[in-house]
Amino acid sequence: AQRVTQPEKLLSVFKGAPVELKCNYSYSGSPELFWYVQYSRQRLQLLLRHISRESIKGFTADLNKGETSFHLKKPFAQEEDSAMYYCAPQNSGGSNYKLTFGKGTLLTVNP
Amino acid sequence: DTGVSQDPRHKITKRGQNVTFRCDPISEHNRLYWYRQTLGQGPEFLTYFQNEAQLEKSRLLSDRFSAERPKGSFSTLEIQRTEQGDSAMYLCASSFLPGGASEQFFGPGTRLTVL
Repeated sequence: AQRVTQPEKLLSVFKGAPVELKCNYSYSGSPELFWYVQYSRQRLQLLLRHISRESIKGFTADLNKGETSFHLKKPFAQEEDSAMYYCAPQNSGGSNYKLTFGKGTLLTVNP
Repeated sequence: DTGVSQDPRHKITKRGQNVTFRCDPISEHNRLYWYRQTLGQGPEFLTYFQNEAQLEKSRLLSDRFSAERPKGSFSTLEIQRTEQGDSAMYLCASSFLPGGASEQFFGPGTRLTVL
């Protein structure tokens, strides 16, 4: 069965500090990996996807297939990064590209 | 606003009543997903449409749940004989790509409270 583990429910850092949100997955096949973010009172939206290898808002995510991890990192956190972050592998075969979400990590960046 | 819209945004109902939610995806998107999110959990997949065809349903979707996308545009999710355990945020998402994984665009959700 597909499983996504985000071990930290809550993560609190100070502005300017590095931040790492962990994600480990157990998934059949070769999923595409995504991070979605939900800012306060906003809808869920894509932050970044592994396949594009982009850095979005200073965030990057490294896929480690051996450890089946896709941790999200930012070297210098900003207050506007405070949000709920979800790691989400996506089916990459067949026709159903459903997302399987972790339970999420609530990141708080303190001034 | 050209994003995914959902109606209503909030619904309070009594146990045993039927409720229906609507989702309007981004107009050119041919794929539409329904997810359910309960407190402290990430969204969980319920069902998926490609155009008007419902191609997969999760085991989470009991017989009391039915979804339609009659013309391949908007979709409805109906829950019959609601139970308190149905209380959750119901999210709709849409995407478009000729093939392969792609970004899903989410609506604001419908929050259901069953009393």
